Amino acid sequence: QKEVEQDPGPLSVPEGAIVSLNCTYSNSAFQYFMWYRQYSRKGPELLMYTYSSGNKEDGRFTAQVDKSSKYISLFIRDSQPSDSATYLCAMEKGGANNLFFGTGTRLTVIP
Amino acid sequence: GAVVSQHPSRVICKSGTSVKIECRSLDFQATTMFWYRQFPKQSLMLMATSNEGSKATYEQGVEKDKFLINHASLTLSTLTVTSAHPEDSSFYICSAKPQGNSNQPQHFGDGTRLSIL
Repeated sequence: QKEVEQDPGPLSVPEGAIVSLNCTYSNSAFQYFMWYRQYSRKGPELLMYTYSSGNKEDGRFTAQVDKSSKYISLFIRDSQPSDSATYLCAMEKGGANNLFFGTGTRLTVIP
Repeated sequence: GAVVSQHPSRVICKSGTSVKIECRSLDFQATTMFWYRQFPKQSLMLMATSNEGSKATYEQGVEKDKFLINHASLTLSTLTVTSAHPEDSSFYICSAKPQGNSNQPQHFGDGTRLSIL
């Protein structure tokens, strides 16, 4: 079993829809949770970085962490065609540097 | 802030050539930088952790004599793919973590697409 599970999609939604992206994990040692957006042929771009359980909002993006269920989510409101990309969840154990990535979910927002 | 620059963005060369890729943190200092490899439609695979002033730590299965890493300053790490062969063709991405606070996230460069003919 992988330490981080993420549905690879692909996911297609109409413009303006609310998008929900999810990851589950098995190791309770993970303490830091990130969402990266990666456009084709580009490096990952940090979108959200959270530590504690709960919600964190930044513009149209909301990151949600539920440590008791070992489940994290990224919500995108009012999705735009420019949001079309691969979204990677990533996690880090406290005191260590290694990132554990999900496989990435490929999102297409249709105009 | 937290910009990581990677150069070159694209390399096409003949088999047997050695290729050097640079990773620079532009607006912060990074004690630790990371090198990843990504195959099409797959996630990032960590190759090695580069520590300023000391030897890199390689992941299992990564040949350290094949992938030479140098982290000579707090803003620069280099990856040299020695005697590259077609199977080394891939997308190589570096990341850097700001110095001081270990709870900072990694910031990524834009990657180098390496094609060996």
